[in-house]
Amino acid sequence: AQSVTQPDIHITVSEGASLELRCNYSYGATPYLFWYVQSPGQGLQLLLKYFSGDTLVQGIKGFEAEFKRSQSSFNLRKPSVHWSDAAEYFCAVGGLKNTGTASKLTFGTGTRLQVTL
Amino acid sequence: EAGVAQSPRYKIIEKRQSVAFWCNPISGHATLYWYQQILGQGPKLLIQFQNNGVVDDSQLPKDRFSAERLKGVDSTLKIQPAKLEDSAVYLCASSVAGGNYEQYFGPGTRLTVT
Repeated sequence: AQSVTQPDIHITVSEGASLELRCNYSYGATPYLFWYVQSPGQGLQLLLKYFSGDTLVQGIKGFEAEFKRSQSSFNLRKPSVHWSDAAEYFCAVGGLKNTGTASKLTFGTGTRLQVTL
Repeated sequence: EAGVAQSPRYKIIEKRQSVAFWCNPISGHATLYWYQQILGQGPKLLIQFQNNGVVDDSQLPKDRFSAERLKGVDSTLKIQPAKLEDSAVYLCASSVAGGNYEQYFGPGTRLTVT
């Protein structure tokens, strides 16, 4: 069964500091990996995704993530955090089943980011 | 381009009552998803439609939840009767097609069952 673990429930960083949010996944084949952001009262917005190719992927709002197959990780990073980045961040995994059909997305429990000024 | 629309945004009902949520996906999106997001958890897929056919409803509690997507456009999710544990945000999302293409999410409906 596919699963996602986000070990940090809550992270606080100072504005201008760097950020890394951790994500570990379990998937029986080649995974498709996603990071979404959710602001209060809003739906989820896709930050970036990894399907194949370069293991360092760039996303919107200055975010990037690195796929490390050996560690089953897909950590999200940002070199300098802005106060507007305060939100909930979700990692998700999907992919292709052996039948060639797509599996559903499985989300982690999220990491709440607080940014101090 | 208009995003995914959902209504109502908030709903409070008593247990054993019924409730319905409506979703209008982005125009031209063939795939529509309903997710349940309980406080402190990530979204969990309840049902996925491809046009007006069901692709995956393995996690839908079919004894009380039902969903339809008539004409392959907008969709309704119903709960009857509601239980306390159904309190959650119900998110609708759509994508051009299935297969893990980018999903666009609506703002959600926050349901409180008392």
